[in-house]
Amino acid sequence: EVQLVQSGAEVRKPGESLKISCQGSGYSFSSYWIAWVRQMPGKGLEWMGIIYPSDSDTRYNPSFEGQVTLSVDKSLRTAYLQWSSLKASDSAIYYCARPALSDLLAALDIWGQGTSVTVSS
Amino acid sequence: DIQMTQSPSSLSASVGDRVTITCQANQDIRNYLNWYQQKPGKAPKLLISEASNLETGVPSRFSGSGSGTDFTFTISSLQPEDVATYYCQQFDYVPPRITFGPGTKVDVK
Repeated sequence: EVQLVQSGAEVRKPGESLKISCQGSGYSFSSYWIAWVRQMPGKGLEWMGIIYPSDSDTRYNPSFEGQVTLSVDKSLRTAYLQWSSLKASDSAIYYCARPALSDLLAALDIWGQGTSVTVSS
Repeated sequence: DIQMTQSPSSLSASVGDRVTITCQANQDIRNYLNWYQQKPGKAPKLLISEASNLETGVPSRFSGSGSGTDFTFTISSLQPEDVATYYCQQFDYVPPRITFGPGTKVDVK
C-alpha cells in the first residue's frame, strides 16, 4: 500500500525550532516529489512547496520562502518541514502529499494524515 | 499570479439533489484543474484530475467539466457521506506553483 505517515502533534513556544516528518512507503520514494500543504484553523489549503527526494530539488511558494525549509533523507524515505523560529501564526495542520505522477505539479493523490502544530506561549 | 474563485462558498441540499460548484480562474489554465474533497478532521482526497478525469474508486456521481477559465464540479445525487468541503486546485508551470480555491462547504439538509 502506498502511504505517507507523518509525525505526531507538536506544541511549541514562539521562537522555538521545529522539524516535522513525512515517511513514504509502498513506492519508489526517490522518484516522486513530496509537497507540503498548510491548513490554518478553519481555513483553506495552501501549497507551501515541493521537494524531489532524488536530488533535493526544491521549489517554494514565494509566500513561504525564507519562512520554512524543506529537506529529505532518501535513506530513511522521509521528507521534513522545519522552522527555525516559530510564530503563533504558524499554528496549523501541515500535510505532506505526493503527486500522482513523477511531475512536480501533478494532482496530489496520496496524502499524509496531517501534523498539528500549535505555537503558544 | 493566477487567482481562483469558487462559488458558492457554502451550500445545503437534500439527499438526492444535484449539486454544482463552479471554479473560475482569472486567466486561461487549459485543463490544469483538479478537485479535492476534505471531510471534517481528515486529509483531502483527490476526486478529479485535469478537469474531468475521475480518479479510480471515486463514485460516478461525481464529475467535472470545463477548460480555460471556467470549471464545474457536480454531484449528481447528493449522499449523506458527501458532507465535506470541496476545493478546486490549479497548477502553473511558470513558475511552478499550485493554488487551491477557497473551498465550498457542502451540507445535507
